[in-house]
Amino acid sequence: SQQGEEDPQALSIQEGENATMNCSYKTSINNLQWYRQNSGRGLVHLILIRSNEREKHSGRLRVTLDTSKKSSSLLITASRAADTASYFCATDEGNNFNKFYFGSGTKLNVKP
Amino acid sequence: DAGITQSPRHKVTETGTPVTLRCHQTENHRYMYWYRQDPGHGLRLIHYSYGVKDTDKGEVSDGYSVSRSKTEDFLLTLESATSSQTSVYFCAISTGQLANEKLFFGSGTQLSVL
Repeated sequence: SQQGEEDPQALSIQEGENATMNCSYKTSINNLQWYRQNSGRGLVHLILIRSNEREKHSGRLRVTLDTSKKSSSLLITASRAADTASYFCATDEGNNFNKFYFGSGTKLNVKP
Repeated sequence: DAGITQSPRHKVTETGTPVTLRCHQTENHRYMYWYRQDPGHGLRLIHYSYGVKDTDKGEVSDGYSVSRSKTEDFLLTLESATSSQTSVYFCAISTGQLANEKLFFGSGTQLSVL
């Protein structure tokens, strides 16, 4: 299975601090995506990084990708209580960019 | 929720009964997916469709079948529900186009098999 693994499984920080979560995967990919899930809701797309990119920014989000290590990290800067959610990475199947596999997620708690 | 409707939102059924979950989209997207979400496992792909009558298996397809007779509807059927299929089921859609691969998710169906 291509399913990735997120690390840590849970993270608790104070508002204003940065949050970093990591994702590792198993086989070659075309792109890697990060999604957010608020409790009991569907997932919402945050950011996509392609296999030929090393870093990407979107607002307070910074994503890095190291294809040699088959890993990615998501950094949320200056976190807010509203960032409390679960975060998942998703990878494609390499030879099928429309088949997506998700990791087990990192549960982030931002304390006000 | 990007024009995606899942029904029912909640379902309680008994072991051995057939169950069908429906995903309806108004976006006319080519790709549709069914995932299940369980604690500790994240989301796991059950089946997906890349067009009318075109489907493929995911990583946990045993015990599930799907059908897509119209672009807008993707049905997931549990032929004979088991307690291990108690889960939250999410439908997702995608344009299927390179450079626009992101998924849009429905609100989920909570299924309990007793």
